[in-house]
Amino acid sequence: GAGVSQSPRYKVAKRGQDVALRCDPISGHVSLFWYQQALGQGPEFLTYFQNEAQLDKSGLPSDRFFAERPEGSVSTLKIQRTQQEDSAVYLCASSLSGRIRSTDTQYFGPGTRLTVL
Amino acid sequence: AQSVTQLGSHVSVSEGALVLLRCNYSSSVPPYLFWYVQYPNQGLQLLLKYTSAATLVKGINGFEAEFKKSETSFHLTKPSAHMSDAAEYFCAVKAAGNKLTFGGGTRVLVKP
Repeated sequence: GAGVSQSPRYKVAKRGQDVALRCDPISGHVSLFWYQQALGQGPEFLTYFQNEAQLDKSGLPSDRFFAERPEGSVSTLKIQRTQQEDSAVYLCASSLSGRIRSTDTQYFGPGTRLTVL
Repeated sequence: AQSVTQLGSHVSVSEGALVLLRCNYSSSVPPYLFWYVQYPNQGLQLLLKYTSAATLVKGINGFEAEFKKSETSFHLTKPSAHMSDAAEYFCAVKAAGNKLTFGGGTRVLVKP
């Protein structure tokens, strides 16, 4: 079946603009994750949803970052008043169950590369 | 808290030679451990995972990894490198909760 998809694949924003990044998880997957991958580094956790509930947002770097998953499927990561340090690849992942500390595989999308000028 | 250290940000191997990528972790609870591969402009693909069953884990594309609790390690190996193995490899740990904590990655170059 279809994997995790993300759009847009590339986004260029001027400093101060707001951006919205979309993630379509694998159908039926309960858990959804957002990660930020800076150039040359490993992904870093941003936030986690179980269905529509945002259970962990400890990784969001500032209150300019906001994520939602209103119907428990598609998710949007919004960044307000973008700064140059927000430039990174934003990865979305989904997994089947919502069990805490499950052994389920997280399946990753191709990412959105955000460049803030 | 948990963390992952990958020794060597770049590794160069000859085609047909052994691939060894090192990963050490710290975790306050028994960990689940993962290796992912990332090709240019693509997302991460799972190679293999350790979830407290057998300590020697076999994955896709001929890769395997061994969990060694005493050494807090989960090194990835492949007996014979292929040109298609050129990519970036990430080790990750899941401790409490469901989020993954990744290492900094190791980029593998395969020389013909």
